[in-house]
Amino acid sequence: GQQVMQIPQYQHVQEGEDFTTYCNSSTTLSNIQWYKQRPGGHPVFLIQLVKSGEVKKQKRLTFQFGEAKKNSSLHITATQTTDVGTYFCAGIGGAQKLVFGQGTRLTINP
Amino acid sequence: GAVVSQHPSWVICKSGTSVKIECRSLDFQATTMFWYRQFPKQSLMLMATSNEGSKATYEQGVEKDKFLINHASLTLSTLTVTSAHPEDSSFYICSARAPPWGPGLAGTGELFFGEGSRLTVL
Repeated sequence: GQQVMQIPQYQHVQEGEDFTTYCNSSTTLSNIQWYKQRPGGHPVFLIQLVKSGEVKKQKRLTFQFGEAKKNSSLHITATQTTDVGTYFCAGIGGAQKLVFGQGTRLTINP
Repeated sequence: GAVVSQHPSWVICKSGTSVKIECRSLDFQATTMFWYRQFPKQSLMLMATSNEGSKATYEQGVEKDKFLINHASLTLSTLTVTSAHPEDSSFYICSARAPPWGPGLAGTGELFFGEGSRLTVL
């Protein structure tokens, strides 16, 4: 079945450093979504990418969708302590089911 | 934005008892809701898709007799963990997809998650 792989599993950075998490799907995706889950909280929707090669920005966050619509990335510039949490990508494939990646847990040293 | 409420947020029960978790969409109607299970520091695993007025669709490996799902109305889905055992201890989260006509949502297909229910079976 469809698999969504996400790396790295963990990332620890100094406040102010950049952070990137990568997402790869075994199949072509119709779209990809990104969620953030704070420790002890529930996932919160960040963004959805639909078009091949799409790039979207939200302040310090940059989201990309690959040309082949099989990979995606989230890049955070100049991390802040409020960025702490686990970032999940989730893709919708042929079965119209949303499949989540394993998540990347970001911790930040202030 | 759309709000999904889940109750209870945490529950502790004895082995062998049944536990019911409620998921409500507060400001929109959801014909479909999704139930996920999340183990500590792991991803969300889809358990089943709850369909209003019909039977739930379970993912492979999920026991439908163990995890009973009822979607009795357009705003309420319930998950009942029957005869719970310690291995059922987990974080259960429901979600619903916002309707395409919702304010500011424009059919993005994003999922709105409930706050989650942490189940501990002793």
